[in-house]
Amino acid sequence: AQSVTQPDIHITVSEGASLELRCNYSYGATPYLFWYVQSPGQGLQLLLKYFSGDTLVQGIKGFEAEFKRSQSSFNLRKPSVHWSDAAEYFCAVAEADKLIFGTGTRLQVFP
Amino acid sequence: SAVISQKPSRDICQRGTSLTIQCQVDSQVTMMFWYRQQPGQSLTLIATANQGSEATYESGFVIDKFPISRPNLTFSTLTVSNMSPEDSSIYLCSVKGSVSYNEQFFGPGTRLTVL
Repeated sequence: AQSVTQPDIHITVSEGASLELRCNYSYGATPYLFWYVQSPGQGLQLLLKYFSGDTLVQGIKGFEAEFKRSQSSFNLRKPSVHWSDAAEYFCAVAEADKLIFGTGTRLQVFP
Repeated sequence: SAVISQKPSRDICQRGTSLTIQCQVDSQVTMMFWYRQQPGQSLTLIATANQGSEATYESGFVIDKFPISRPNLTFSTLTVSNMSPEDSSIYLCSVKGSVSYNEQFFGPGTRLTVL
């Protein structure tokens, strides 16, 4: 079975600083990978996805992620964090029709 | 992407009762999913609901506890039966996107508290 690991439970950054959230997956073939964001009291919003092709994918809200097969990673990045980015971030991998989620990383942003 | 609504958005229920959660999509979709998010935890898939067939439950979830209906291509319900405080969670429904790469779009969730 596939699995997703998000090593960082909680990250704190200052507004304007850069951000990188880590995600590692286990899967034999080329995975379908996703990043979702969950703001307090909200459902999940799809930030970006990787299926194939260019390993650097752009998403909404200024986020990007890079797929590195050699490291089994799909890290999420943003060059300058805004206070409104404070939320829970989930990495996910598709397994057949299902999504397997990581445990999430809670992002706190200080002014 | 599909627009998904859920009712109720939140509820507080007594132990031993049941709650039915509704999920409405603004377009016809083949597959709908129900997830549970326990406090401070990630999402766990409860079951997959296809129109015209029985729902497929994941390991650890049973139909008697979480009966699901899927009467048409835009609607589904999840019932949480004989509730206990351990059922306190956020319940989310989702649908597969139109692109065939397994992306899913989520409803806003139903926050359930069982006393």
